[in-house]
Amino acid sequence: GESVGLHLPTLSVQEGDNSIINCAYSNSASDYFIWYKQESGKGPQFIIDIRSNMDKRQGQRVTVLLNKTVKHLSLQIAATQPGDSAVYFCAERMIYNQGGKLIFGQGTELSVKP
Amino acid sequence: DAGVIQSPRHEVTEMGQEVTLRCKPISGHNSLFWYRQTMMRGLELLIYFNNNVPIDDSGMPEDRFSAKMPNASFSTLKIQPSEPRDSAVYFCASSPSRGDWSYEQYFGPGTRLTVT
Repeated sequence: GESVGLHLPTLSVQEGDNSIINCAYSNSASDYFIWYKQESGKGPQFIIDIRSNMDKRQGQRVTVLLNKTVKHLSLQIAATQPGDSAVYFCAERMIYNQGGKLIFGQGTELSVKP
Repeated sequence: DAGVIQSPRHEVTEMGQEVTLRCKPISGHNSLFWYRQTMMRGLELLIYFNNNVPIDDSGMPEDRFSAKMPNASFSTLKIQPSEPRDSAVYFCASSPSRGDWSYEQYFGPGTRLTVT
């Protein structure tokens, strides 16, 4: 029979616009969050991370916002470029996990139109 | 820095055959993770090691899967016997122990496994 795959949420933006990718995490005991970018045929690549005692953290063209009240994480990309087209994953670390075990979300596909 | 190295990059095998995937973590990293990625299930953690010792193998699907880390610079993931439902991209990642609050993992390019 035919297999059915995950249908990733998709965000389509115009080049030059700002992008906002959202993530709802599952556990209030999570103390660390991270965003990865995965281009087709490649492994996930680190973008930015944030600790649970922070609300906001900025990198180059990217900002991560954390709202612990509603367990929500977002990634903002300024002046989106065609090279930003990829699947973006959020991941969380639960405080009671040993070491650096991360739990990944399903991902959001970002498509940038030139 | 060569990054995490995985081999082979592509593997096609017949059902019932043994498959061995290999990983060389970044030098100096003391944690190593094996993931499986499929369209159906996304990115799943299979097992991870800290200082060459398996810490959490709760994601290993069944006894057909086994992983070893004989030293700090090498790990294998073995599937015996392989089945078509094992077809996926398998990633290895490593992470340093820096003493700060970051748990960033560095991913390899993956091994695309097809079992026919």
